[in-house]
Amino acid sequence: ELKVEQNPLFLSMQEGKNYTIYCNYSTTSDRLYWYRQDPGKSLESLFVLLSNGAVKQEGRLMASLDTKARLSTLHITAAVHDLSATYFCAVDAGTASKLTFGTGTRLQVTL
Amino acid sequence: DAGVTQSPTHLIKTRGQQVTLRCSPKSGHDTVSWYQQALGQGPQFIFQYYEEEERQRGNFPDRFSGHQFPNYSSELNVNALLLGDSALYLCASSKNYEQYFGPGTRLTVT
Repeated sequence: ELKVEQNPLFLSMQEGKNYTIYCNYSTTSDRLYWYRQDPGKSLESLFVLLSNGAVKQEGRLMASLDTKARLSTLHITAAVHDLSATYFCAVDAGTASKLTFGTGTRLQVTL
Repeated sequence: DAGVTQSPTHLIKTRGQQVTLRCSPKSGHDTVSWYQQALGQGPQFIFQYYEEEERQRGNFPDRFSGHQFPNYSSELNVNALLLGDSALYLCASSKNYEQYFGPGTRLTVT
């Protein structure tokens, strides 16, 4: 059974600081997704990483994928309050878009 | 272009009742997946429909059933509701690998 683990589960960081969220998964997969969720809202797609070594950046967020290590990272640069949300990684086990989600990382950016 | 839509937005039911949730996929998408997200947890895969057939199923009991119509819209039915079924139910549509999530239906079972 595919397992997806994120750490940390909760992250409180100051505005302007950098930090990284880690996502480990247990079986081979070549597709990894990052989503953002605001309280009471649905999931907003951030990145889809399709191959080993893939790196994508959007604003202050950058995601990377290492399929050999079964690890993805979401790096936050110079955090701002608007980034406060819960971030999920999800892995496609190769069976037609069935996603297995991590536990989520709740990010709180403080002034 | 309308994205994924779900109805209703919120729903309150009593234990033992039955509920039907509805989802319309994004235009051009033929696959619909349903997820359950309990408070404070990540979404859990319930099942997926493609060409009006259930293609995959997660670890959910038979009380959870679904349907896909010829226009690709889908329904999720839950029978004999339990308190533990209280959650946000998310529908996602896709054509290839990228999934787009709807706004969700918040189900509360009392």
